[in-house]
Amino acid sequence: ILNVEQSPQSLHVQEGDSTNFTCSFPSSNFYALHWYRWETAKSPEALFVMTLNGDEKKKGRISATLNTKEGYSYLYIKGSQPEDSATYLCAFIAGAAGNKLTFGGGTRVLVKP
Amino acid sequence: DTEVTQTPKHLVMGMTNKKSLKCEQHMGHRAMYWYKQKAKKPPELMFVYSYEKLSINESVPSRFSPECPNSSLLNLHLHALQPEDSALYLCASSGFRVDRYEAFFGQGTRLTVV
Repeated sequence: ILNVEQSPQSLHVQEGDSTNFTCSFPSSNFYALHWYRWETAKSPEALFVMTLNGDEKKKGRISATLNTKEGYSYLYIKGSQPEDSATYLCAFIAGAAGNKLTFGGGTRVLVKP
Repeated sequence: DTEVTQTPKHLVMGMTNKKSLKCEQHMGHRAMYWYKQKAKKPPELMFVYSYEKLSINESVPSRFSPECPNSSLLNLHLHALQPEDSALYLCASSGFRVDRYEAFFGQGTRLTVV
């Protein structure tokens, strides 16, 4: 059983503040890591596909970094807005696991105006 | 069209019923997935189809029976379910290489077994 953990489970952020949270995964047999944003009553939506150690990806005010050697990824939200309120999920894919995405428990972000 | 369409959105079924969940995508994706999500838990993989063939079955009970009639459609046939099978069932599709391509998810079917 793969251990993919996200912390914190939830956080409240004041509008305009920046925040970040973590996805931890097994450092051996890494193949890829995905980040998804899941808003209530909507479909999970992909943010990033990350594969290389040291990778940094950016999409608007959201960015992510990847450290495969130590088994973690950070997601950053700069200048949080109420529309950033969602659950953020990471999904780990191990080498030779085929197309098996193993999800972490998610970080639920609530941005307060 | 980047949508994955799931029907129905909500389903209530008795333990002796037979029902099916449907999923459709027209993005040319050759990998399709069924996930089960219980409240406050992450989505758990049930099945993966690669090029219309079942490639991963995560030891799912036989009361769940997947089917991939063609490259655009994915079904999940349900029979003799238990109340603990009540959950959100998510369908997803992706390009075959998940180190290059993200998954696209439907909105899910909220299943209640009574």
